[in-house]
Amino acid sequence: GIQVEQSPPDLILQEGANSTLRCNFSDSVNNLQWFHQNPWGQLINLFYIPSGTKQNGRLSATTVATERYSLLYISSSQTTDSGVYFCAAGRDSSYKLIFGSGTRLLVRP
Amino acid sequence: DTAVSQTPKYLVTQMGNDKSIKCEQNLGHDTMYWYKQDSKKFLKIMFSYNNKELIINETVPNRFSPKSPDKAHLNLHINSLELGDSAVYFCASSRSPTGGNYGYTFGSGTRLTVV
Repeated sequence: GIQVEQSPPDLILQEGANSTLRCNFSDSVNNLQWFHQNPWGQLINLFYIPSGTKQNGRLSATTVATERYSLLYISSSQTTDSGVYFCAAGRDSSYKLIFGSGTRLLVRP
Repeated sequence: DTAVSQTPKYLVTQMGNDKSIKCEQNLGHDTMYWYKQDSKKFLKIMFSYNNKELIINETVPNRFSPKSPDKAHLNLHINSLELGDSAVYFCASSRSPTGGNYGYTFGSGTRLTVV
């Protein structure tokens, strides 16, 4: 099955800093999503991005499917960005979305 | 108006008991899922239904049984609860089994503690 690896596992930022989170996947995928789990446990879908680039406010994501990676950019980080960021990947044929182990982000004021 | 709602939010129960978690979505999505998140935050698919038909049935103990009475509801029944079942269980939905251009919408989770 598909393996999903995320890096770094932990990240501490000062408020206002920028960061890049990486997701590598082991096989071709046509379903790639990024999620944020806030400190209260809620999982929020950030991007559905099997290929290309999308932006939503201070967040943007790029997936290069042919090279099997996706990047999540956070600009001008805020304390409310803290939490765990998950990448998840899948293929149409199996319907399963496989989650990476996440990147724990702490943004300090 | 909550898009994907799960009940209960917290569930504390003794070993050996039987319990159910309910999930409802009002997004008009065709596909619903159950995910389990363990103490290390790892998320794993358990089941998925598309239009009331089971399409994913991962290797979980057969003490876990999903039921989808209609495409807006997906319930999870657990028999003979064990300590190792303690986890957070998330329900999710999407327009189609492949995500449907907007991806998954998750419920707020049910924290199950077996004592």
